[in-house]
Amino acid sequence: EVQLVESGGGLVQPGGSLRLSCAASGFTFSSYAMSWVRQAPGKGLEWVSAISGSGGSTYYADSVKGRFTISRDNSKNTLYLQMNSLRAEDTAVYYCAKTNRWAWSGKTLIDYWGQGTLVTVSS
Amino acid sequence: DIQMTQSPSSLSASVGDRVTITCRASQGISNSLAWYQQKPGKAPKLLLYAASRLESGVPSRFSGSGSGTDYTLTISSLQPEDFATYYCQQYYSTPQTFGQGTKVEIK
Repeated sequence: EVQLVESGGGLVQPGGSLRLSCAASGFTFSSYAMSWVRQAPGKGLEWVSAISGSGGSTYYADSVKGRFTISRDNSKNTLYLQMNSLRAEDTAVYYCAKTNRWAWSGKTLIDYWGQGTLVTVSS
Repeated sequence: DIQMTQSPSSLSASVGDRVTITCRASQGISNSLAWYQQKPGKAPKLLLYAASRLESGVPSRFSGSGSGTDYTLTISSLQPEDFATYYCQQYYSTPQTFGQGTKVEIK
């Protein structure tokens, strides 16, 4: 059974940093691209970032490019999202998501989601 | 970026009703269209992909259709557990984008 467990969320001041983690189990982690998707309170879903199975290729939404960094440790079956220069508009539940392919490209589908971790950016 | 427009944004329906939700992409997405169900406080769950392919374990009352820019999710006979918010998503190009959601409520 695929399991994705996020951690690291919390309250942070504007301009601050936070690192999210996602512990994966139930599948061969290194064989699949992974992604982060966020959902602001009461709002819809927004794709944030993705990384290939090897970690060699990364992708970002324009809204977080230059501030967020996605990475993975395949020896620990763990996905990360380093978030710097946080803004109030980054407040959201952040979901870790598994895809159906090794590469992130057209046709790469998100098929499993974690339960999410809440990040609140406020002074 | 490809914009996804869902309609309606909400609907009220009764158990047993047939429900249809539409999703329009701002450009052709070659059936690279997924539908997700989200219940309050829970993660989204994949229902259909490639516009019409049912994810394993999803009840057959859910179906999808469409091509080009226009797609539809149909629930043939609404069940109590189907009251939720539904999102379409294109995975044809990066950034992947979602519709704004359709909340299905009990009439």
